[in-house]
Amino acid sequence: NAGVMQNPRHLVRRRGQEARLRCSPMKGHSHVYWYRQLPEEGLKFMVYLQKENIIDESGMPKERFSAEFPKEGPSILRIQQVVRGDSAAYFCASSQSWTGAEKLFFGSGTQLSVL
Amino acid sequence: GENVEQHPSTLSVQEGDSAVIKCTYSDSASNYFPWYKQELGKRPQLIIDIRSNVGEKKDQRIAVTLNKTAKHFSLHITETQPEDSAVYFCAANLISSGSARQLTFGSGTQLTVLP
Repeated sequence: NAGVMQNPRHLVRRRGQEARLRCSPMKGHSHVYWYRQLPEEGLKFMVYLQKENIIDESGMPKERFSAEFPKEGPSILRIQQVVRGDSAAYFCASSQSWTGAEKLFFGSGTQLSVL
Repeated sequence: GENVEQHPSTLSVQEGDSAVIKCTYSDSASNYFPWYKQELGKRPQLIIDIRSNVGEKKDQRIAVTLNKTAKHFSLHITETQPEDSAVYFCAANLISSGSARQLTFGSGTQLTVLP
């Protein structure tokens, strides 16, 4: 199955630790998006990346959050010095191209719990 | 800022009845409107989408209508079945604060189909 792969599925961190979330896009897709979902809420856009480039990070918090999509390997969403408010499901999606009107296919998400 | 409003937040119907979920959007230049179904603990899955050059699209028991003038679109599910029970999200490709079009999601509708 060449769907969007995310790992880990569940991640538990203590306040102040770092969280690293990984996403491998669908085969043939080179556009990756990260969304955050709080309990009983919709998906909030965080960042859009292409290989080696951050294209739109307008939804990313200014501090502690960063994302990358290197030439080789998965996209990484990194959260430094996590706080309880970072607890959420983080979903990655990918698309084949980008016109602003593309079908997005989502991974199964990473549930981050901050103790 | 640009947003998508979704109603109702919860909807219960008897098996076999129809369900309708409505969304409005703020950006008149939006041209892509997908609907996602999310079962508990699972990934959001694209079930149908519509582009602004058409007013209606149907796929078996699911249909979506779009009124560009009024800036609203709706999901219609006919002959509902218990397996249709899930959270449904509408989305529209709005201009983000990064000046690019990104999918902005509604807050979701919890659909429960009663046997």
